[in-house]
Amino acid sequence: GQNIDQPTEMTATEGAIVQINCTYQTSGFNGLFWYQQHAGEAPTFLSYNVLDGLEEKGRFSSFLSRSKGYSYLLLKELQMKDSASYLCAVMDSNYQLIWGAGTKLIIKP
Amino acid sequence: GAVVSQHPSRVICKSGTSVKIECRSLDFQATTMFWYRQFPKQSLMLMATSNEGSKATYEQGVEKDKFLINHASLTLSTLTVTSAHPEDSSFYICSANAGTSSETQYFGPGTRLLVL
Repeated sequence: GQNIDQPTEMTATEGAIVQINCTYQTSGFNGLFWYQQHAGEAPTFLSYNVLDGLEEKGRFSSFLSRSKGYSYLLLKELQMKDSASYLCAVMDSNYQLIWGAGTKLIIKP
Repeated sequence: GAVVSQHPSRVICKSGTSVKIECRSLDFQATTMFWYRQFPKQSLMLMATSNEGSKATYEQGVEKDKFLINHASLTLSTLTVTSAHPEDSSFYICSANAGTSSETQYFGPGTRLLVL
């Protein structure tokens, strides 16, 4: 079956760095997405990786290793507004998104 | 970036009535749109894939006669919840691909449905 695993919850301190991991097993691979979702809102797109390596976009970076079925989202200089759920999703061979359950990130002052 | 809108943003209706939710791609043509449902503290659940000009493909366990999907144009898909019941209360989210081979899905803001 298809499976996406990511930690349920993580806690970090304002100003610090946090890495959220995601491992996947899917039928085919057409890219991996990270989404941020604040409570009661639809997820917003953060990043998309289809080739191995690190993609940097401001305070957020995303890494992919296709051979290991592994990705991480790196958040730097954490701000209180970064408190949210972070969803990892893989697009399979049918161009459908397989979603992880999300990682709830709690930022403490 | 590409924008997807949903209307209404929230709706309250009586049990037994039907509710239509619209999903529009505002600045691009979407050959494929997806409808998701989200339960509290859970990830999005794909309900169906809507292709312009053809019948929607429903995920297992989703009643096609209850959740009617129409994708009449390249910028509009509608989800109609027929004879809604309180258990249908949820957050419904659509997303759209900007072309058949586009990898990026653009999400709508979501529609919160409350059935009394």
